[in-house]
Amino acid sequence: AQKVTQAQTEISVVEKEDVTLDCVYETRDTTYYLFWYKQPPSGELVFLIRRNSFDEQNEISGRYSWNFQKSTSSFNFTITASQVVDSAVYFCALSTEKGYSTLTFGKGTMLLVSP
Amino acid sequence: DAGVIQSPRHEVTEMGQEVTLRCKPISGHNSLFWYRQTMMRGLELLIYFNNNVPIDDSGMPEDRFSAKMPNASFSTLKIQPSEPRDSAVYFCASSLAGGQTDTQYFGPGTRLTVL
Repeated sequence: AQKVTQAQTEISVVEKEDVTLDCVYETRDTTYYLFWYKQPPSGELVFLIRRNSFDEQNEISGRYSWNFQKSTSSFNFTITASQVVDSAVYFCALSTEKGYSTLTFGKGTMLLVSP
Repeated sequence: DAGVIQSPRHEVTEMGQEVTLRCKPISGHNSLFWYRQTMMRGLELLIYFNNNVPIDDSGMPEDRFSAKMPNASFSTLKIQPSEPRDSAVYFCASSLAGGQTDTQYFGPGTRLTVL
């Protein structure tokens, strides 16, 4: 069975602080994909990144960066110099092959960035 | 480019009434997913269609829920009769082919309230 754990339910930071959102996953599959989605207060789910299990290179996109470590089954997300617009719930998700793609979501981490 | 379109965005109904949620996937996407989001259970997959055919409906809560995909550009999720515990946000998502490598893109969701 697949499982995604986001231990931080809520994080509060002040604008310009760096913040890291943790994600730990469990799967017996050797091939899998990891995702991060953002859910702003307006409610939609916005895709941020996809990473496959064979690519452990870190990814950077502007102020966002992701650290994937298979040794610890973690796929952490860091926002550098946070902004108020980063306030949202962030979901980590795991996709494994069951003949088709199934997404298992974590419970989400609510990030509140105050001015 | 148009993303996944869902309607209505908000629905308030009384217990016992029939509710129909609608989804238009991204053009060219062959796979469609219906999810439900609640505070207690997070994001749960209800049903998955590939090329208009239901592949996995194991997440559908009970017989009161039904989903159809009559063509590649339209799907419905129906609840009949609705109950207060069905209150949730219902998301539709689509992906190119449904494979593990594919990213699921989500619609804005329908917030359902059953009184």
